[in-house]
Amino acid sequence: EIVLTQSPGTLSLSPGERATLSCRASQSVNSRSLVWYQQKPGQPPRLLIHGASSRATGIPDRFSGGGSGTDFTLTISRLEPEDFAVYYCQQYDTSPRGYTFGQGTKLEIK
Amino acid sequence: QVLVMQSGAEVKKPGASVKVSCKASGNTFTSYYMHWVRQAPGQGLEWMGIIDPSRGNTGYAQKFQGRVTVTRDTSTSTVYLELSSLRSEDTAVYYCAREGRDTNYFDLWGQGTPVTVSS
Repeated sequence: EIVLTQSPGTLSLSPGERATLSCRASQSVNSRSLVWYQQKPGQPPRLLIHGASSRATGIPDRFSGGGSGTDFTLTISRLEPEDFAVYYCQQYDTSPRGYTFGQGTKLEIK
Repeated sequence: QVLVMQSGAEVKKPGASVKVSCKASGNTFTSYYMHWVRQAPGQGLEWMGIIDPSRGNTGYAQKFQGRVTVTRDTSTSTVYLELSSLRSEDTAVYYCAREGRDTNYFDLWGQGTPVTVSS
């Protein structure tokens, strides 16, 4: 089973700054199956990025995803107040079939 | 606009079972896979299982094999999660989530159903 490790656990930044979040897989992942979600307190997760780099419908272009193999990143170019939340990466595995999540990165206001 | 609406909060005793429902609006119920994902208090997300509403085929995370059952009712566009032999560690918010066929990501989530297991 592939394990996803996100870093850092908590990232403290100010609005207007650039955020870079990391997701590292224990073995190579098909980029097509690497996904990022945003979750705010009391809400379900929201899809941000699929296929490692494709923004979901309605997601602002300050969000971008990249990477391949075992190392993936989510970048938020200029933080807006509404971007402070927890971010999860997720991947799909075929053997055994399953969907695994990273433990999350909390992005907090500095 | 397609929505998925889940049933309300549950409180159960250890050893009991819980059944949570998730109803999809619109007429595309059989065009998507539906999943169940849970989140314990202050913790991350954990995938539990999947159902193909058009065929009823299911798949479960190994951790929950033998304890979880996902079913569907196509007449009401509703999927169900049943979890048995509940223990305190099953206290969590349970989400249903939609996946476009073979896209490998969840593009629409229910609002979540809190389940508390306590004696």
